[in-house]
Amino acid sequence: DIVMTQTPLSSPVTLGQPASISCRSSQSLVHSDGNTYLSWLQQRPGQPPRLLIYKISNRFSGVPDRFSGSGAGTDFTLKISRVEAEDVGVYYCMQATQFPYSFGQGTKLEIK
Amino acid sequence: EVQLVQSGAEVKKPGATVKISCKVSGYTFTDYYMHWVQQAPGKGLEWMGLVDPEDGETMFAEKFQGRVTMTADTSTDTAYMELSSLRSEDTAVYYCATTGATSSYWGQGTLVTVSS
Repeated sequence: DIVMTQTPLSSPVTLGQPASISCRSSQSLVHSDGNTYLSWLQQRPGQPPRLLIYKISNRFSGVPDRFSGSGAGTDFTLKISRVEAEDVGVYYCMQATQFPYSFGQGTKLEIK
Repeated sequence: EVQLVQSGAEVKKPGATVKISCKVSGYTFTDYYMHWVQQAPGKGLEWMGLVDPEDGETMFAEKFQGRVTMTADTSTDTAYMELSSLRSEDTAVYYCATTGATSSYWGQGTLVTVSS
């Protein structure tokens, strides 16, 4: 099974400042079809998760452009260019390259 | 608009079985696998398995194998997840979710509390 490891697990950020979350997989997430099925999800307090980024770097519909994803192979990063109050929550990376699908432990983003 | 609407909260005794429903709208039910994800209180997300609504094929995480059943009713565009032999550690919010190559939609979650 693929293990997803996120760092940091907690990230206090000042409003308007950037934030960055890393995600590392225990094996390459490149699928046999050539795609890399690494997604980022946001879970606001009391809400279900919602998709932010799919296939490493593609923003889902309605996601603000301050969110960006990058990486390749086993190392991936989610960046928020300028954190806003509504960004508070827990962020998860998720791999859908190989069954069973797996999630990182989650990174809690909070405002300083 | 894609919507996944789950059934309401449940309270069950240890050893019982719970069945949660997830009714979809806004897309063709058979076009995407339906996944189920567990989230224990204050914890992260854990993938439980999936059902293919087109043919009913399923795949489960090893942790839940033998205790979980996932089905899909194409006449009502509703997916079901049944978890048996409940124990206190199964107290969690359970989410249904569709995840395609370029999209993902989640239900609102169903809280299952296992308590004697």
